[in-house]
Amino acid sequence: SQTIHQWPATLVQPVGSPLSLECTVEGTSNPNLYWYRQAAGRGLQLLFYSVGIGQISSEVPQNLSASRPQDRQFILSSKKLLLSDSGFYLCAWSDGLAAYNEQFFGPGTRLTVL
Amino acid sequence: SQELEQSPQSLIVQEGKNLTINCTSSKTLYGLYWYKQKYGEGLIFLMMLQKGGEEKSHEKITAKLDEKKQQSSLHITASQPSHAGIYLCGADSRGSTLGRLYFGRGTQLTVWP
Repeated sequence: SQTIHQWPATLVQPVGSPLSLECTVEGTSNPNLYWYRQAAGRGLQLLFYSVGIGQISSEVPQNLSASRPQDRQFILSSKKLLLSDSGFYLCAWSDGLAAYNEQFFGPGTRLTVL
Repeated sequence: SQELEQSPQSLIVQEGKNLTINCTSSKTLYGLYWYKQKYGEGLIFLMMLQKGGEEKSHEKITAKLDEKKQQSSLHITASQPSHAGIYLCGADSRGSTLGRLYFGRGTQLTVWP
């Protein structure tokens, strides 16, 4: 069966510090991968998605970047965090060959920028 | 872009009561997905609907998609405290970016004993 991992689970970082969040998927090959941010009252916002190694699409301009160095690894980064980067970050995967986009989510990372 | 409106924003019910959550789209839905989330955790996939008039059930939760494929409802029968959480609907539309799902803002459900 497939599993998705995220770490760290929680993170407290000062403004201006770098960020690296990691997501890995097991039990599947060539998945579509997604990074979302969930902020209170704003719902789930898609940040990045990837259909393959090295292929990243950005949904909104922001202070963040994403990379996919391996088939089942997705990394969310920032060089300098802003207060507005605080939130709950969720990674998800879907079967790239499926006709529908059923997505499966990781446990999330709670990021607090002080 | 696809927009999904969920109602109500929050719901407080007594244990044992039935309840319904609605999700309305501005466009015809290609696929409609229901998720549940407990605070501070990831989303758990519940059900997917794709055909007009389709209805699916899992334990005490039933989801329906209307014939026009623009509205879905999630109905919980005899609610229990374990049903508490945030329910989100997500959708994709034909011609959308590969893998792109649009989500509603969620409905916060509280079930008190």
